[in-house]
Amino acid sequence: GENVEQHPSTLSVQEGDSAVIKCTYSDSASNYFPWYKQELGKGPQLIIDIRSNVGEKKDQRIAVTLNKTAKHFSLHITETQPEDSAVYFCAASIMGGSNYKLTFGKGTLLTVNP
Amino acid sequence: GAVVSQHPSRVICKSGTSVKIECRSLDFQATTMFWYRQFPKQSLMLMATSNEGSKATYEQGVEKDKFLINHASLTLSTLTVTSAHPEDSSFYICSAPQGVETQYFGPGTRLLVL
Repeated sequence: GENVEQHPSTLSVQEGDSAVIKCTYSDSASNYFPWYKQELGKGPQLIIDIRSNVGEKKDQRIAVTLNKTAKHFSLHITETQPEDSAVYFCAASIMGGSNYKLTFGKGTLLTVNP
Repeated sequence: GAVVSQHPSRVICKSGTSVKIECRSLDFQATTMFWYRQFPKQSLMLMATSNEGSKATYEQGVEKDKFLINHASLTLSTLTVTSAHPEDSSFYICSAPQGVETQYFGPGTRLLVL
């Protein structure tokens, strides 16, 4: 089955700096890669996703890049703010499959220091 | 994005009792929903796939008689933890896909078994 590795497990940055979180996946059939933000005591919130026919996607301060050949994708947050502090999870799945299953990375605890 | 609700948000029960958790898709229909379990500082672990009109599909190692799932309608799935014990204490989260890929998560239910 699919295996998703996520690094780093913790990341501390100063407000205004950029943060990068990286994930690798093992199943070359995976073609959908969402990123979720989870605040303490809450459910994960979808912040951005990318499909395998696209190499990069941006939404304001957030961007995701995908390298299908190397089977890795990354989340980039620019101009970080204290409210960006949370746990971020990457995931992979096969879009169009019969069961929509997501395989998650272990998560990255991002701390943005004021 | 789409909205998924869970009820209750928090429940405390005595060992040996059963607890029912509801998951609802508020503004879309979902023939499939997913139930996850999350321990502190860990990633989401898929427990089972809830299928409207048919039996749930359980992941390896998850006891189907312990965690009963019923997908009563296109907007409601329930998870019943039967004869709960302290080791069942955890954060339970459901998700529902809107369309063919994008999964939206509920806010989670914190279960504490005394």
